[in-house]
Amino acid sequence: ILNVEQSPQSLHVQEGDSTNFTCSFPSSNFYALHWYRWETAKSPEALFVMTLNGDEKKKGRISATLNTKEGYSYLYIKGSQPEDSATYLCAFMDSNYQLIWGAGTKLIIKP
Amino acid sequence: GAGVSQSPSNKVTEKGKDVELRCDPISGHTALYWYRQSLGQGLEFLIYFQGNSAPDKSGLPSDRFSAERTGGSVSTLTIQRTQQEDSAVYLCASTVSSGVRLGTDTQYFGPGTRLTVL
Repeated sequence: ILNVEQSPQSLHVQEGDSTNFTCSFPSSNFYALHWYRWETAKSPEALFVMTLNGDEKKKGRISATLNTKEGYSYLYIKGSQPEDSATYLCAFMDSNYQLIWGAGTKLIIKP
Repeated sequence: GAGVSQSPSNKVTEKGKDVELRCDPISGHTALYWYRQSLGQGLEFLIYFQGNSAPDKSGLPSDRFSAERTGGSVSTLTIQRTQQEDSAVYLCASTVSSGVRLGTDTQYFGPGTRLTVL
């Protein structure tokens, strides 16, 4: 059974602090890893698609790294702002094109 | 350019009733996905359409669940004889498919339908 785990489940961060959280996935048959942001009362929004071991992606203050050999990806947020409050979802796709989603990390930025 | 829309946004129903959830994907997107998220759980894949056909129905949890897509556009997810465990947020997403299911395509999500079964 393929399993994608995200940790922590929730996270409170002071505004201005930097933070990071983890997506763990099977290290075999890797095809792609997606990160999405899901704000309350809105639709999930794509952040990154990562396909190669060692990939690093950046979008403003948010960046992500990928280690396919050990099966994890980190999402980093630098200088957290209130608008960063959301649930961050990762989705793992294997080489059979089966897509498995994590339960998400809920990030709350405290002013 | 309109995004993915879903209706209704909220649905409260009594156990045993049938419900229909609707998804309007982005115009021109050939692939359409249905997911649900129960409280505290990850996104659970339900069904995938390529055009009007559903090559993958593996995620439908029971035969009470069915879905169709017409004209390569609008999709309806029907739940018959609803049960309390069907309560969840039902999300629809569409993508421009290259013929490979998702792959590196970005999924564009609708706002979801929150279903509550009393």
